[in-house]
Amino acid sequence: EDQVTQSPEALRLQEGESSSLNCSYTVSGLRGLFWYRQDPGKGPEFLFTLYSAGEEKEKERLKATLTKKESFLHITAPKPEDSATYLCAVQGEETSGSRLTFGEGTQLTVNP
Amino acid sequence: DAGVIQSPRHEVTEMGQEVTLRCKPISGHNSLFWYRQTMMRGLELLIYFNNNVPIDDSGMPEDRFSAKMPNASFSTLKIQPSEPRDSAVYFCASSFRVRGELFFGEGSRLTVL
Repeated sequence: EDQVTQSPEALRLQEGESSSLNCSYTVSGLRGLFWYRQDPGKGPEFLFTLYSAGEEKEKERLKATLTKKESFLHITAPKPEDSATYLCAVQGEETSGSRLTFGEGTQLTVNP
Repeated sequence: DAGVIQSPRHEVTEMGQEVTLRCKPISGHNSLFWYRQTMMRGLELLIYFNNNVPIDDSGMPEDRFSAKMPNASFSTLKIQPSEPRDSAVYFCASSFRVRGELFFGEGSRLTVL
């Protein structure tokens, strides 16, 4: 069974204070690791897909990296509008189709 | 292109009543998912369709829950009878390829009194 654990559960940063969110996973053959952003009252919004260890993806102030056991979402010089819950999900070889297993999420608050 | 459209956005009902949630996936997507989100359990997959056929319904809590996808542009999730523990946000998501990212709707917030 695929498992995803995210840490920390919540993170408060000052504007401009860089940090990283962690996603540890257990999966039988990783087909893909996904990062989503979720704002209050909204559905998760797709950010990145990573497929193999060593891969990196960037989007504005966000950078996602992947190893064989975990993924990091690095936030550089965050702004208050980066405040959201960040969700990590995996898709394993043994799961059918596009089924994703999600972590509990990290709630990020960036104070001005 | 319009995203995944869900209705209603909010539903308040009394225990024992039937609830029907609706979803229109993104045009051209051939996979559709129903997820439930609660504070306690996070996002849980309820059921997954591929080309309108249910592939995996192992996440459906019990017989009170049922889902249909009569065509490529419409799906329903029905709860009958509803119970207070069914209160949650229900998300519909679609995907255009077998191994790809999911695109989520805004969700339907259900409150069962």
